Amino acid sequence: LAKTTQPVSMDSYEGQEVNITCSHNNIATNDYITWYQQFPSQGPRFIIQGYKTKVTNEVASLFIPADRKSSTLSLPRVSLSDTAVYYCLVGEGANNAGNMLTFGGGTRLMVKP
Amino acid sequence: GAVVSQHPSRVICKSGTSVKIECRSLDFQATTMFWYRQFPKQSLMLMATSNEGSKATYEQGVEKDKFLINHASLTLSTLTVTSAHPEDSSFYICSGDSPTGNEQFFGPGTRLTVL
Repeated sequence: LAKTTQPVSMDSYEGQEVNITCSHNNIATNDYITWYQQFPSQGPRFIIQGYKTKVTNEVASLFIPADRKSSTLSLPRVSLSDTAVYYCLVGEGANNAGNMLTFGGGTRLMVKP
Repeated sequence: GAVVSQHPSRVICKSGTSVKIECRSLDFQATTMFWYRQFPKQSLMLMATSNEGSKATYEQGVEKDKFLINHASLTLSTLTVTSAHPEDSSFYICSGDSPTGNEQFFGPGTRLTVL
């Protein structure tokens, strides 16, 4: 499983766009990139997943360059409720189904008023 | 999205007792379920992978005789912490993936405190 590296923490203010970059230099051909959000004392929640280029949903965008050695989660106009830990995971198969997920350290995002 | 529940949400027990945590997929059948442990301010650590009807596969360093996992049906997996000690105090989270292979769904977690 490819190892991921993310910033330990980030601060932002309400209304700003937040970009969290994850490095995964050893990503394999079959690997997908998935981001999860976790609030304190809760289980992780799926945010977005992609394989290459750009993916957008109602919550976030995911940018993946051609070499796929990194990815950037973009949260538009964050609010205080976006304060959480964000995990970048890399695993084989769409949605990493059936495959164990290896969580890295995650990025602790603090959104300030 | 699919829902995974855990029971209890929090439990406090005395050292030496055993605690059972249930993980249920409420509106889908989970062929595979995963159990994670998370200490404060740390990331999730996979403990074991269980497939319905077969023995669980434990990660290195996880004692299978201490953390008993049973996945008797496609909607229920249980984790029993046997002879719990204070160092077992942690946040235990389960997840399951659907047979169609769409997304892994996490439970809300169970906070275990061993006195």
